[in-house]
Amino acid sequence: ETGVTQTPRHLVMGMTNKKSLKCEQHLGHNAMYWYKQSAKKPLELMFVYNFKEQTENNSVPSRFSPECPNSSHLFLHLHTLQPEDSALYLCASSQVIGLADQETQYFGPGTRLLVL
Amino acid sequence: AQTVTQSQPEMSVQEAETVTLSCTYDTSESNYYLFWYKQPPSRQMILVIRQEAYKQQNATENRFSVNFQKAAKSFSLKISDSQLGDTAMYFCAFMKHGDSGGSNYKLTFGKGTLLTVNP
Repeated sequence: ETGVTQTPRHLVMGMTNKKSLKCEQHLGHNAMYWYKQSAKKPLELMFVYNFKEQTENNSVPSRFSPECPNSSHLFLHLHTLQPEDSALYLCASSQVIGLADQETQYFGPGTRLLVL
Repeated sequence: AQTVTQSQPEMSVQEAETVTLSCTYDTSESNYYLFWYKQPPSRQMILVIRQEAYKQQNATENRFSVNFQKAAKSFSLKISDSQLGDTAMYFCAFMKHGDSGGSNYKLTFGKGTLLTVNP
């Protein structure tokens, strides 16, 4: 295991539902990330939080809303999703040493999301 | 913008043999990191090996080694003495190394190569 956990591991939701994905890292890192992994496509970075501040939103639709209450926890709130949002959502964390360097990103197991 | 290309969607190798996965990338940056990640079926993505672009020496991690050709923008992964547990999707990834925040932390991934090790 990498020290990054995600819950739930599987989620089925309707387009009108509201759900949240949770990520927790036990590595003492100060940066956390959400990625989307779809079949036949490269992993896509969605959001970056560095020292609890969102530093990047990679043109993600507003139906995805991230929250980072502290450096160990990251949430992805979902509402009114579309079937094309079905994918594996991966969380990652890393230790940002400074602006000019960064350690390796460690990934969680992912949440397999199916939107009906 | 950076791009990462893995031209082999699928590969297979016999147990105990050696296999090489290819990766090329396109960037105008001079300082960056390159990574190989492994994602076994239904399991977590884990780091296999990492290379800093300023280092000329190729990174090695036990049975895994890379052939980093900076001028050619090539970063292949060699797996020696392949084992059944090496069966996985392998992703090549690029990260810029710079002095500003935000996009420094972005990993750009290739589409992956599915490697199957046969007994």
